[in-house]
Amino acid sequence: ETGVTQSPTHLIKTRGQQVTLRCSSQSGHNTVSWYQQALGQGPQFIFQYYREEENGRGNFPPRFSGLQFPNYSSELNVNALELDDSALYLCASRLGGLGTGELFFGEGSRLTVL
Amino acid sequence: AQKVTQAQTEISVVEKEDVTLDCVYETRDTTYYLFWYKQPPSGELVFLIRRNSFDEQNEISGRYSWNFQKSTSSFNFTITASQVVDSAVYFCALSDRSNTGNQFYFGTGTSLTVIP
Repeated sequence: ETGVTQSPTHLIKTRGQQVTLRCSSQSGHNTVSWYQQALGQGPQFIFQYYREEENGRGNFPPRFSGLQFPNYSSELNVNALELDDSALYLCASRLGGLGTGELFFGEGSRLTVL
Repeated sequence: AQKVTQAQTEISVVEKEDVTLDCVYETRDTTYYLFWYKQPPSGELVFLIRRNSFDEQNEISGRYSWNFQKSTSSFNFTITASQVVDSAVYFCALSDRSNTGNQFYFGTGTSLTVIP
């Protein structure tokens, strides 16, 4: 196990609702990234937080937002849910915001939007 | 632009056979990093290996080996004497310095089934 924990593991929402996903990084890791993995696809980068600041963002609309807390845990918030937001949301942590070291992933939160 | 291609969508092998998973990447950066991850049904991506662009030595770890060839932009992964526990989806990923946040670019994955 990587030490990265995510909650909830599964959830179902309806279109237009809002959702918050949570992630606790591995001990000592100050960088958290979020990825979206649609069924049968590879993970797609949403954004990354380093020392409570967003320092990278992928091609996702502003309704995808996040936070990182002083203990380096993180939240992913998605507003105005759409059907295409149904996916596995993966959180990953590592040490160092600008490095290219390996990412350590949690087991993900599987979101279904009806 | 960065891109990772895993042309093999699904592979099935019989236990104890060797299997090679292909990965081809694209980047304009001269410094980059390549990764392989394993994703079992639980969903967690398990880190297998990291290789930087300046180190073309092949690597072996138990039944796993990796062949990195810059000339063909490939980073292939071989499992020797496959076992049922190797059944999973395997992802190749690229990270370079030309993007903010050092995001990882993943391929679409290869689903490996090892038949007992």
